[in-house]
Amino acid sequence: EVQLLQSGGGLGQPGGSLRLSCEASGFTFSTYAMTWVRQAPGKGLEWVSTISGTGSSTYYADSVKGRFTISRDNSKNTLYLQMNSLRAEDTAVYYCAKDTAGIFPLGMDVWGNGTTVTVSS
Amino acid sequence: DIQMTQSPSSLSASVGDRVTITCRASQNINSYLNWYQQKPGKAPKFLIYAASTLQSGVPSRFSGGGSGTDFTLTISSLQPEDFATYYCQHTHSSPYTFGQGTKLDIK
Repeated sequence: EVQLLQSGGGLGQPGGSLRLSCEASGFTFSTYAMTWVRQAPGKGLEWVSTISGTGSSTYYADSVKGRFTISRDNSKNTLYLQMNSLRAEDTAVYYCAKDTAGIFPLGMDVWGNGTTVTVSS
Repeated sequence: DIQMTQSPSSLSASVGDRVTITCRASQNINSYLNWYQQKPGKAPKFLIYAASTLQSGVPSRFSGGGSGTDFTLTISSLQPEDFATYYCQHTHSSPYTFGQGTKLDIK
């Protein structure tokens, strides 16, 4: 069964850091691009970042560029999102998702259950 | 950056109705358009890719159309499980933005 198991998140201080993880199983992880999407309380979906299957290409929303870093360890079938310089507006449920393509995103067909990030002092 | 605008923002309909949701891109995205369904407290579900191709396992009452800047998601005969929020998303070029969502509820 294809699954994405998310961990990390929780409460972060403004200006602080958190790291999210997403462990994949049931498919050849290195073949597919992976994406982080977030959803602030009561709001719509916001695309955050995508990484190609090899990890050689990364893409970021302007709202997180320079603060967040997406990465992957294909030997561990795990996707990461390092979140630095946290702001209150980063408070959201964060989803990791598998893309149907390997290099550029085409569509996200498998999603994790989401992990909550709250930024507050 | 490409902006995605959905209409309407909310829609009330009855079981058995035919409904259409529209998504407009601020510039030509060819057919790089996906549709997702999300229910409260759940992760989104992938419905349609490349504007009109149904993802495996999605009921045939869902259909997508359009190209360039104007796209549609149509549900031919609403079922109780279809009441949810629907989002379009483009994958033409980064940033791969979503529309603001269309909430479909029961009349």
